[in-house]
Amino acid sequence: GAVVSQHPSRVICKSGTSVKIECRSLDFQATTMFWYRQFPKQSLMLMATSNEGSKATYEQGVEKDKFLINHASLTLSTLTVTSAHPEDSSFYICSAPRQGAEGEKLFFGSGTQLSVL
Amino acid sequence: AQSVAQPEDQVNVAEGNPLTVKCTYSVSGNPYLFWYVQYPNRGLQFLLKYITGDNLVKGSYGFEAEFNKSQTSFHLKKPSALVSDSALYFCAVRGSRSNDYKLSFGAGTTVTVRA
Repeated sequence: GAVVSQHPSRVICKSGTSVKIECRSLDFQATTMFWYRQFPKQSLMLMATSNEGSKATYEQGVEKDKFLINHASLTLSTLTVTSAHPEDSSFYICSAPRQGAEGEKLFFGSGTQLSVL
Repeated sequence: AQSVAQPEDQVNVAEGNPLTVKCTYSVSGNPYLFWYVQYPNRGLQFLLKYITGDNLVKGSYGFEAEFNKSQTSFHLKKPSALVSDSALYFCAVRGSRSNDYKLSFGAGTTVTVRA
């Protein structure tokens, strides 16, 4: 079963509105989570690293005020796309690392398809 | 800086034939290497990883990959492909520093297995 839950899976919104995407680690605590953006048939681009208890670390070129990240607890990180515009339409994926018997693994959420009209 | 190159945008094979998806990497120090598969409008699913040890790594769904340090490659292979293997495959790398989970992904290779 899924170890990282991402919600919603699909959202359509009007230009200028804000959209919140949730990423939850199931059955384990994640002090760090990652947010990626993926354009059709392209690779995943790391947007930011979400840190529980401290500010997120953004990759170069990612607008902090546009993509608000809050790591509210050890199992929840949220990405809010503020004042969304059509160019923000994309597939957003979160991930969280988990240590297990086989060492570290990075688990991904099922993704959120955002369409801004 | 770390990076991954997947030189082929698409790979097409007939069912039952061997499948190879190529990947080369660049990273400081020892690499941690991963392969993920993505189905349409879905997140990524872990296939296998190389951390240390045997250069031939076996993973999920009959896939394996061979780490070649001299060629800085980590090609994904499957001896006999299935139609259900048709998907988008990503190679990823990160450095071996502890607590550094940031992965760099290749551009992806679309695999199509025809019946």
